[in-house]
Amino acid sequence: AQSVTQLGSHVSVSEGALVLLRCNYSSSVPPYLFWYVQYPNQGLQLLLKYTSAATLVKGINGFEAEFKKSETSFHLTKPSAHMSDAAEYFCAVRPEGSARQLTFGSGTQLTVLP
Amino acid sequence: NAGVTQTPKFRVLKTGQSMTLLCAQDMNHEYMYWYRQDPGMGLRLIHYSVGEGTTAKGEVPDGYNVSRLKKQNFLLGLESAAPSQTSVYFCASSTTGGLAEAFFGQGTRLTVV
Repeated sequence: AQSVTQLGSHVSVSEGALVLLRCNYSSSVPPYLFWYVQYPNQGLQLLLKYTSAATLVKGINGFEAEFKKSETSFHLTKPSAHMSDAAEYFCAVRPEGSARQLTFGSGTQLTVLP
Repeated sequence: NAGVTQTPKFRVLKTGQSMTLLCAQDMNHEYMYWYRQDPGMGLRLIHYSVGEGTTAKGEVPDGYNVSRLKKQNFLLGLESAAPSQTSVYFCASSTTGGLAEAFFGQGTRLTVV
């Protein structure tokens, strides 16, 4: 079964610093890949998704992710953290050829320090 | 735009009681999902549905039942609640296709005492 691994359940960065949240997937065939964000006491919302059109994907709020097939990774980055970025971030995967099951990683809680 | 609406938002149950969580979507989506979210475990799929009248088991289906009698509604039932079912439950819906975005409700916080 497809799975995703998020390294680091908690990440702290200073405001203005680079944000890097890691996601690795387990598959020899690249699945459909997503990043979702969850603000406190809210549901999840889509940040970005990998469409195979480009390896560097741009999302909302200045976030982007780079797909690296050789490393089976889809890490999320943002050049300069803002206080409003504090949230929990989830990497998710759907197997190639199926839209049915969306599997989530365990999440990374991002804290932004003033 | 309502999107995905879950009711109730909060509930406290006693062990052994039953309840039904309702999810309604107004986007005419084919697929609907129920997840539970527990600290450090991300979201785990309980059951899902690929269309009206169909349901399928996800990763953690034991202790739950679901029904999708109408396309817009997806019900999650707990027949005999257990403390292990204390969690935050999220409903989501999407169109078909691997790249389809899943839209989430605001969640239901359930405590079983």
